[in-house]
Order: sequence, then structure tokens, then C-alpha cells
Amino acid sequence: QVQLQESGPGLVTPSQTLSLTCTVSGVSISSGSYYWSWIRQPAGKGLEWIGRIYTSGSTNYNPSLKSRVTISVDTSKNQFSLKLSSVTAADTAVYYCARDEVFGDYVDYWGQGTLVTVSS
Amino acid sequence: QSALTQPASVSGSPGQSITISCTGTSSDVGSYNLVSWYQQHPGKAPKLMIYEGSKRPSGVSNRFSGSKSGNTASLTISGLQAEDEADYYCCSYAGGDRVFGGGTKLTVL
Repeated sequence: QVQLQESGPGLVTPSQTLSLTCTVSGVSISSGSYYWSWIRQPAGKGLEWIGRIYTSGSTNYNPSLKSRVTISVDTSKNQFSLKLSSVTAADTAVYYCARDEVFGDYVDYWGQGTLVTVSS
Repeated sequence: QSALTQPASVSGSPGQSITISCTGTSSDVGSYNLVSWYQQHPGKAPKLMIYEGSKRPSGVSNRFSGSKSGNTASLTISGLQAEDEADYYCCSYAGGDRVFGGGTKLTVL
């Protein structure tokens, strides 16, 4: 059974870097059939795609966030991570990690989500 | 990259059918048959309902169907049930990137 679990600080100071990790179980993150994604959702608002990484390390990022985002993968730990720099209150959201099917380009598994608040 | 356009809300009575539209551009919806739809209940993670425009994952009711015409994709729910009340999001491949719709709140009257 595939499971994804986000972890990281729930509170980040403005201008600092938000860091989250997604631990994957039930499937090897090295499998070539999937991308590994980050998606966020501000309270009461819609979903926003942040970006994704393939097992080769190649990445795609939302153009509106690209200058601040880094997604990386650690195959030895079956984890992938998100770093978002220079955060502001507008980055306060529930952050989801997710598994993307490569060929159909859809998310078939989601983590439960973790709330990150940007505040001093 | 702009968000796909969805109606903010739709409603229907139990047993009726509703359709949610999702309008993009020739750079996303219009160019690829890679639209997916997600259902989200309050406080929960989204759930995949339709992928590749019209395919249903195992376990999703056949009351849910998807289609596309030009730059607009649609999700139709037939035989509305109370548990269908939720937010629905469309999503499209956009040439390496991905773009979501703004979401539609479905109310079952």
C-alpha cells in the first residue's frame, strides 16, 4: 500500500526558508514510472502546483515560484524534499506531497498534508 | 501560466446530473488529452476521480465521467448523491508543467 507522509516545521519566520520532507512507503521512489510532486493549498483557496522531480533528478517547477523552489530526492531514504526560500505570509498553506503517474500526468496518491504558517 | 477557469459553484438535487466545466488554453487543455479531476472533502486530501480526460480509476463510481472539447474539459456527475458534495478541481498538463483550476464547490440540495 502506497503511503506518503509530510514532515517539517509548522511555523516558519518570514524571509526564511521553508523545508519539508516527504517519506514514501509501499513503493520505491526509484521506480521509473513516477514523478514526485509538491502541491499546496492556502486556507479556503484552491490547489497550486509547486513542482516535481523524477528519479533521475530532473525537475519541473511552477514558473511563478521557480526562483524560490528547490525539490530534491534521497533514494537511500525513500524520501523527497521541498525547499522554498524567502517566504512571506502568502506562502502559508497546507503543503501536500504526491505521486504523479508519468505517462498520464495525474496524481494517484497524496499525503495527508501539513500546515505551514509563515509568521514572526 | 494561468489557472484553468472553473465555475465557483454548482448545485443540484439528489438524482440529478451536473456538469463542471474547466476552460484552459491551446497551451494546456487544448493541446493534451491529459486532464485530471480531483474531489476534495473538507479537511481531506484530494482524491483522483478522472484521468487522461475520461478514464476512471478503479473504485470510482461510473456516475463520474469526463470529456473534452477544444480548450474546455468537463466533469459530469450523474445520479447526484449527498456524498458527492465537495470541492472539485481540474488539472492539466501544460508542456512539462502542470496547472490546476480554481475549484468548484458542488452543493447537493
